[in-house]
Amino acid sequence: SQQGEEDPQALSIQEGENATMNCSYKTSINNLQWYRQNSGRGLVHLILIRSNEREKHSGRLRVTLDTSKKSSSLLITASRAADTASYFCATDAPSGNTPLVFGKGTRLSVIA
Amino acid sequence: EAQVTQNPRYLITVTGKKLTVTCSQNMNHEYMSWYRQDPGLGLRQIYYSMNVEVTDKGDVPEGYKVSRKEKRNFPLILESPSPNQTSLYFCASSLDRYTSGNTIYFGEGSWLTVV
Repeated sequence: SQQGEEDPQALSIQEGENATMNCSYKTSINNLQWYRQNSGRGLVHLILIRSNEREKHSGRLRVTLDTSKKSSSLLITASRAADTASYFCATDAPSGNTPLVFGKGTRLSVIA
Repeated sequence: EAQVTQNPRYLITVTGKKLTVTCSQNMNHEYMSWYRQDPGLGLRQIYYSMNVEVTDKGDVPEGYKVSRKEKRNFPLILESPSPNQTSLYFCASSLDRYTSGNTIYFGEGSWLTVV
């Protein structure tokens, strides 16, 4: 099954800096979603971008989608220590017949 | 409050002793699923259910069973647990499977250790 792959696997930055995480996938999609997971907790939905959208904002989050390169990026601006978490991208497929598939995540550490 | 509730949150059990992890959602969602999360492997889907009495295998169904007798509940059953089933398990639900753009709601996770 297709799977999003996040890059980098781990990222460490100082508070106030921007954090950028990337996701690549293999086949055509309808939507791509980003989720956040605090250590050992359930995943929480952050933002969804549809295949006909190129950029989307939500608060300090900015998501871009490049369907020609089959990639997406998640930018967190002015990061805070509370942003420390793992971030996952999840993709579906145009047929709608496959479950949402999650990547392995990027572990973000924001150092105060 | 919209919730997916799973129990127990933490469990240590012995090889071969049957156990059930319960999952319940209060959002009238049709679609429910179980994932396991292991270091370096990410989230892998075990089983999913599109509606009552409809279940299907995910990527890693071996050693697990599920049932969906009611819309809100989707228990995960380990008939004869083995140490390789030691993992963090998540139950999740969404409105339905086929509508694009559904958000998935996750439970808080169940840490299972099989010794």
